[in-house]
Amino acid sequence: ETGVTQTPRHLVMGMTNKKSLKCEQHLGHNAMYWYKQSAKKPLELMFVYSLEERVENNSVPSRFSPECPNSSHLFLHLHTLQPEDSALYLCASSQEFSASGGGDTQYFGPGTRLTVL
Amino acid sequence: AQSVTQPDIHITVSEGASLELRCNYSYGATPYLFWYVQSPGQGLQLLLKYFSGDTLVQGIKGFEAEFKRSQSSFNLRKPSVHWSDAAEYFCAVGGNDYKLSFGAGTTVTVRA
Repeated sequence: ETGVTQTPRHLVMGMTNKKSLKCEQHLGHNAMYWYKQSAKKPLELMFVYSLEERVENNSVPSRFSPECPNSSHLFLHLHTLQPEDSALYLCASSQEFSASGGGDTQYFGPGTRLTVL
Repeated sequence: AQSVTQPDIHITVSEGASLELRCNYSYGATPYLFWYVQSPGQGLQLLLKYFSGDTLVQGIKGFEAEFKRSQSSFNLRKPSVHWSDAAEYFCAVGGNDYKLSFGAGTTVTVRA
């Protein structure tokens, strides 16, 4: 595997289910990100991890719970979601976490298409 | 905080014709600028980026973009489009922190 991979690619869940999204980066990067992409809206940054420490929680509801066990893996645990949470969830990584400059290139995975019934 | 506007929601272009996608940003200092492309069912792929130096930036797949500070723009161009260029294109801007602000995207349709 190369680049950033995400599993599953598609997920359908009920509002009472608990599921997890997985992201793995094979680039040796130190920072990882979760984004939400809704139709015709700009990408929304949800969480940022640098060297396994969370550095951003962008006012995301607690029904989304991230986990970063090491610098290569990132999870997004989902529980009691709402239909409006249906979206494409994208994971990204960058070489470094640049707190003072937004110039570090982010590399994206293919995303998980989530549908909440 | 920085922000991005992509004025065109959808553009249709004939195969072999030129393409220009507009991007306007708002940021008080010199920004970091990116163009990404997203094919259906795929993640975002980096086309090119501007950090400093030459304002005309060359990218992959024959794309280029020009940074114009006076117009706060970073428009993407391709001289001759191929059917495989049909996709959604996103402009993004970074500033003095780690965050990237993305535009809402422009969908490009290529007709034969």
